[in-house]
Amino acid sequence: QVQLVESGGGVVQPGGSLRLSCAASGFKFTDYGMHWVRQVPGKGLEWVAFIRYDGNNKYYADSAKGRFSISRDNFKITLYLQMDNLRVGDTAVYYCAKDGVVGGYGLGNIDYWGQGVLVTVSS
Amino acid sequence: SYELTQPPSASVSPGQTARITCSGDALAKKYAHWYQQKSGQAPVLVIYADNKRPSGIPERFSGSNSGTTATLIISGAQVEDEAAYYCFSKDNSDLGVFGGGTRLTVL
Repeated sequence: QVQLVESGGGVVQPGGSLRLSCAASGFKFTDYGMHWVRQVPGKGLEWVAFIRYDGNNKYYADSAKGRFSISRDNFKITLYLQMDNLRVGDTAVYYCAKDGVVGGYGLGNIDYWGQGVLVTVSS
Repeated sequence: SYELTQPPSASVSPGQTARITCSGDALAKKYAHWYQQKSGQAPVLVIYADNKRPSGIPERFSGSNSGTTATLIISGAQVEDEAAYYCFSKDNSDLGVFGGGTRLTVL
């Protein structure tokens, strides 16, 4: 079965950096695009970024552009989110998620989610 | 920036039909997908590509997309369907966007 396990969350000061990782298993990782989605506790979902199955195309929400970088290692079967210049407003649970379209050129739907990792930006 | 608009809340009696709408201009050309999120849990896909149901999702969940409004329909809602529901689609730049979410109460 599909499993997505996030790690790397924690507490960081404003202006700091953090790298999230997501270990994937149970599907052919190299065939699917991957997403990061975040959720402020008690609030709604916000799409953050997407990377195509081969890593050649990346898409970012306006809130992430220029500060966050999505990447993947298809040999380690791992997805990453490098977050720089963090702000208090970036405090949220970050979900790693699998796209539902095999070999898709861009975003399809999200069909599986990890359990999420909490990132807290606070002084 | 592009937005998908959902009502913040909805309520239905057990056994009745719940309809949750999601409005956005780009829905005329983009698929809508729907997620159920129960308290403290990760979201679960319940409808994709407007009206397709993933395996394991009960038949009472269905969807439609007409013009600029997508609708999630729960026919014969159960108490266990009480949750937040989010629509998801793409804007005209093919960036992802979620609706604000609708909290469904079944009582």
